[in-house]
Amino acid sequence: NAGVTQTPKFQVLKTGQSMTLQCAQDMNHEYMSWYRQDPGMGLRLIHYSVGAGITDQGEVPNGYNVSRSTTEDFPLRLLSAAPSQTSVYFCASSYLGGVGGANVLTFGAGSRLTVL
Amino acid sequence: AQTVTQSQPEMSVQEAETVTLSCTYDTSESDYYLFWYKQPPSRQMILVIRQEAYKQQNATENRFSVNFQKAAKSFSLKISDSQLGDAAMYFCAYRESGGSNYKLTFGKGTLLTVNP
Repeated sequence: NAGVTQTPKFQVLKTGQSMTLQCAQDMNHEYMSWYRQDPGMGLRLIHYSVGAGITDQGEVPNGYNVSRSTTEDFPLRLLSAAPSQTSVYFCASSYLGGVGGANVLTFGAGSRLTVL
Repeated sequence: AQTVTQSQPEMSVQEAETVTLSCTYDTSESDYYLFWYKQPPSRQMILVIRQEAYKQQNATENRFSVNFQKAAKSFSLKISDSQLGDAAMYFCAYRESGGSNYKLTFGKGTLLTVNP
């Protein structure tokens, strides 16, 4: 059981380049989300999804696109990278509903992105 | 909007002693969840403890316990018998109950150093 897998772990981009951060989970979680972590800011929600074909914006969605074609995968796309997108990105997933520990978020290991 | 405040950017504790990390939050909701996450240098976000607002009993997990004061909107984390492996950044987080957003609102974190 791999949990939440993020790739790549590190990436350096030039301003204006595009790239996709991959996130995959093997726990059959309905809910998936992307956060970014900046120094002194905690983590902030970028986008989330409650199932295949359904996505919505979080707190800081500008400059990012997402799609959810399968339950397992939730890629985050940067269409034209900017230095302000230099950050550590976390993917997290959980079941929807339920009680007890069923809907606690499981985080991936993070992806560090630097935009020059 | 909900906010989470961690007033201690850094804390230190001697090995085997006890330390308390502070967290306050602001919400108009009556039902919600509160969490403490640990982020060691590996960057992985690890759930330490969780509290449901409707439960008056404070949550405990081995050496970790919370002091949940709902009226004061306070949620502090106590680490007993501190160990070197407890050294990490600790984040307090809030989530509304119900709905499907599952958004976590994080504080800015407290960096805990454990001295041998």
